[in-house]
Amino acid sequence: SQELEQSPQSLIVQEGKNLTINCTSSKTLYGLYWYKQKYGEGLIFLMMLQKGGEEKSHEKITAKLDEKKQQSSLHITASQPSHAGIYLCGARMDSSYKLIFGSGTRLLVRP
Amino acid sequence: DTGVSQDPRHKITKRGQNVTFRCDPISEHNRLYWYRQTLGQGPEFLTYFQNEAQLEKSRLLSDRFSAERPKGSFSTLEIQRTEQGDSAMYLCASSLMALNTEAFFGQGTRLTVV
Repeated sequence: SQELEQSPQSLIVQEGKNLTINCTSSKTLYGLYWYKQKYGEGLIFLMMLQKGGEEKSHEKITAKLDEKKQQSSLHITASQPSHAGIYLCGARMDSSYKLIFGSGTRLLVRP
Repeated sequence: DTGVSQDPRHKITKRGQNVTFRCDPISEHNRLYWYRQTLGQGPEFLTYFQNEAQLEKSRLLSDRFSAERPKGSFSTLEIQRTEQGDSAMYLCASSLMALNTEAFFGQGTRLTVV
C-alpha cells in the first residue's frame, strides 16, 4: 500500500548483527501492528503499538511508535537464522477495524 | 482451540469455474476478516464481519466475490467465474471485539486459476 511504506524492501545480514526495519505512514495511525510471515504461510502476530512513544519488546525484537504516530521501527538484536522471513507492518488508519499493510521487508540471516 | 483454520490450503481451478473457501475463526472471536495477498505484496483487505453482520467491503471486492458468516461462526468466501487475476493467497483472520486488539491469521488458501 502507498499509504504505508516499508523500508528496506529486503535485507541480508550476517548472524549476530543488529538490524532495523521502518514503517512510515502518510496518515496518523490509530494502531500499528507488526507481523512475521514465512513464505507461503499465514501471518504470525508479533506486537501491537497504540500510543505515541510506545515501545514494546519480545525476546530480541523491539518495536517503537514515534510520538507523532506516523512511523514505527522494528529492531532485531543479535539476529539469528530463525529471524528470517517477511516482516509486515499493518495499521489502522481510521475508525474502521481493517488493517492496511505495507509491502513487507524480506529478511535473510546468513549463518 | 488451535487457531484460525482455513480450508482448503491449496486450490487449482480452471478459469470460469466457481470456488469456495472456508474459514473457522478462534472460537471466542467476534470479528472475522478476509484479505488477499499476491506475490511480493502485503495483504489487501477484502471484507470483515462482526458476528454475522458484514460491516465493511473493499471496492476490490467485485460482484463475483461474496462472503458469508451465517451463524457468526465460520465464514465462506466464494468467487464466481474465476479469472487468472484472482490467483492469490486468500487469508482469513479473526479478533476479539475490542477497539484495538490483534488479529490472528490462518495459514491461507492459495488459489491458482489456470
